[in-house]
Amino acid sequence: QSVLTQPPSMSGAPGQRVTISCTGNSSNLGATYPVHWYQQLPGTAPKLLIYSNNNRPPGVPDRFSGSNSGTSASLAITGLQADDAADYYCQSYDSSLKAWVFGGGTKLTVL
Amino acid sequence: QVQLQESGPGLVRPSETLSLTCTVSGGSIPNNYWSWVRQSPGKGLEWIGYVFYTGTTNYNPSLKSRVIISVDTSKNQFSLKLTSVTAADTAVYYCAKHVGNYFDFWGQGIPVTVSS
Repeated sequence: QSVLTQPPSMSGAPGQRVTISCTGNSSNLGATYPVHWYQQLPGTAPKLLIYSNNNRPPGVPDRFSGSNSGTSASLAITGLQADDAADYYCQSYDSSLKAWVFGGGTKLTVL
Repeated sequence: QVQLQESGPGLVRPSETLSLTCTVSGGSIPNNYWSWVRQSPGKGLEWIGYVFYTGTTNYNPSLKSRVIISVDTSKNQFSLKLTSVTAADTAVYYCAKHVGNYFDFWGQGIPVTVSS
């Protein structure tokens, strides 16, 4: 299993707000290493969505936001849209493993 | 905007060496770190390692004994070699630009199957 734990799946109706969690431990999120989020649409490469906890690259709508506290982090999506249906991954650094690590991914379904 | 493109064989025999190349366009290799990441159904996304334009490398300890990543600044390319492959190395391999602690640009990915 992955070092960072995410719920395997979530769903929401158009216009709703969803929050995807990412749980780590004292070697990664708890050690204040920043968390980053990626969106992967079907058949495509991951795309950077949020970097360094709560920063959006150019072109990413402000409907997407990140937060973190202790050994956990969250990605919030407001005003859910049909094309938000994708897999979402969190990522950080783990000082015990000495490697950049990812969550197992959350498949978001827009109802 | 930086673009990355992976290339290489899609099928590798067990115990042989997987070799992939990533060509960078819209940006230059110097002054940046460049990583390989793979994605398999069984293990999800896994960082393999990075190379700096000077040739300095850093590998995931779980793969370190089998990985070599190199860079060719004259061709704006960097490469991955993974030795002694098994079925567990079957995955989609991505090259990515590595900024600090995250990956800001990714290639489209290349599926590699290890099978006889």
